[in-house]
Amino acid sequence: AQKITQTQPGMFVQEKEAVTLDCTYDTSDQSYGLFWYKQPSSGEMIFLIYQGSYDEQNATEGRYSLNFQKARKSANLVISASQLGDSAMYFCAMRAYQTGANNLFFGTGTRLTVIP
Amino acid sequence: ETGVTQTPRHLVMGMTNKKSLKCEQHLGHNAMYWYKQSAKKPLELMFVYSLEERVENNSVPSRFSPECPNSSHLFLHLHTLQPEDSALYLCASSQDPGVNQPQHFGDGTRLSIL
Repeated sequence: AQKITQTQPGMFVQEKEAVTLDCTYDTSDQSYGLFWYKQPSSGEMIFLIYQGSYDEQNATEGRYSLNFQKARKSANLVISASQLGDSAMYFCAMRAYQTGANNLFFGTGTRLTVIP
Repeated sequence: ETGVTQTPRHLVMGMTNKKSLKCEQHLGHNAMYWYKQSAKKPLELMFVYSLEERVENNSVPSRFSPECPNSSHLFLHLHTLQPEDSALYLCASSQDPGVNQPQHFGDGTRLSIL
């Protein structure tokens, strides 16, 4: 069975500082993809970054980077130089090949608040 | 402007009403999805369509009925809903239902059942 765990219900970060949002996953598949999404209060889910299980380098997209530690089954999101607009819910998600790539499993999310 | 548009943004309905949620994607994608987001619970995948064929139905009650007339449009028909069906319903699309394909979401329809 696939499972995503986000242990931080809420996080605070000072503006311009970096913050790490934790995500661990559980799967027996060898081929899988890990995603991070941002959900502002408006409701829209915004795709941020993707990491494939066979990717050797950590994914980066602008101020977002994914700290992928395969042996520990963790895929933490790092946001550098936080901005007030980064305040939102952040969800980690996973798709695995063998269990059907149709299924995107989400964690319960972390609410990030950026303090001026 | 988002590539995935959902209407209406908000819907309040009684348990005996029939209504439909609409989703349209302008991204040229081949796969579309319906999700339910309830408070303090992970997003739940409801239905998946690939090239207008339903490929996933995650044990969703029959009071929810999806329809995909073409690869750009997806509907969710609602009838005789229950109060526990109140939630944010999110539509998403992806190029195809592949492991490495990110899904692009709409703004959602916030549904309240009286």
